[in-house]
Amino acid sequence: GDSVTQMEGPVTLSEEAFLTINCTYTATGYPSLFWYVQYPGEGLQLLLKATKADDKGSNKGFEATYRKETTSFHLEKGSVQVSDSAVYFCALSQSGGSYIPTFGRGTSLIVHP
Amino acid sequence: KAGVTQTPRYLIKTRGQQVTLSCSPISGHRSVSWYQQTPGQGLQFLFEYFSETQRNKGNFPGRFSGRQFSNSRSEMNVSTLELGDSALYLCASSLQGGSEKLFFGSGTQLSVL
Repeated sequence: GDSVTQMEGPVTLSEEAFLTINCTYTATGYPSLFWYVQYPGEGLQLLLKATKADDKGSNKGFEATYRKETTSFHLEKGSVQVSDSAVYFCALSQSGGSYIPTFGRGTSLIVHP
Repeated sequence: KAGVTQTPRYLIKTRGQQVTLSCSPISGHRSVSWYQQTPGQGLQFLFEYFSETQRNKGNFPGRFSGRQFSNSRSEMNVSTLELGDSALYLCASSLQGGSEKLFFGSGTQLSVL
């Protein structure tokens, strides 16, 4: 079946450091790929998505490129802020209304001032 | 547009009791999914309802059940609570499900003593 693997956390960075959170997937066909973010005490919210190979999703300074050749969707940000401290989830979904998205285990990011 | 609303926000129960959680999706969304989130297991899919019918079910015991009403509001019920049921229960909605992005509520934090 489909699966998503994320790097284990926590990832601890100083403010303004460069961020990479690795995500690789196993899936048939051409899934859509997502990054969700969960701030403390809240539910998940969509950060960005990409629907086909070589697409780049971007939002709030975060970017991720859909790499079919390496089955990866790594999340990057050039300069993190303390407010980016959260848990980040990589996910994939297939077309078809009855498909249930597959989530990674989540990666905790802690940014120090 | 109002987001996904989950009630109550916090619940404390004792072993053997039962509990009902409520979720009101975004207006117009017909798909409602439930997830259990724990530090050890991450996000685990419970079930999905679409137009009042359970369309998908995760690998949870029969003590976990749910339903969806004609206005798309959903409830989940857990009977004979166990200590291991302590978790954050998240509800997510989307228009049709599948490869669409999910909109999550803030969750219900259930503690079983």
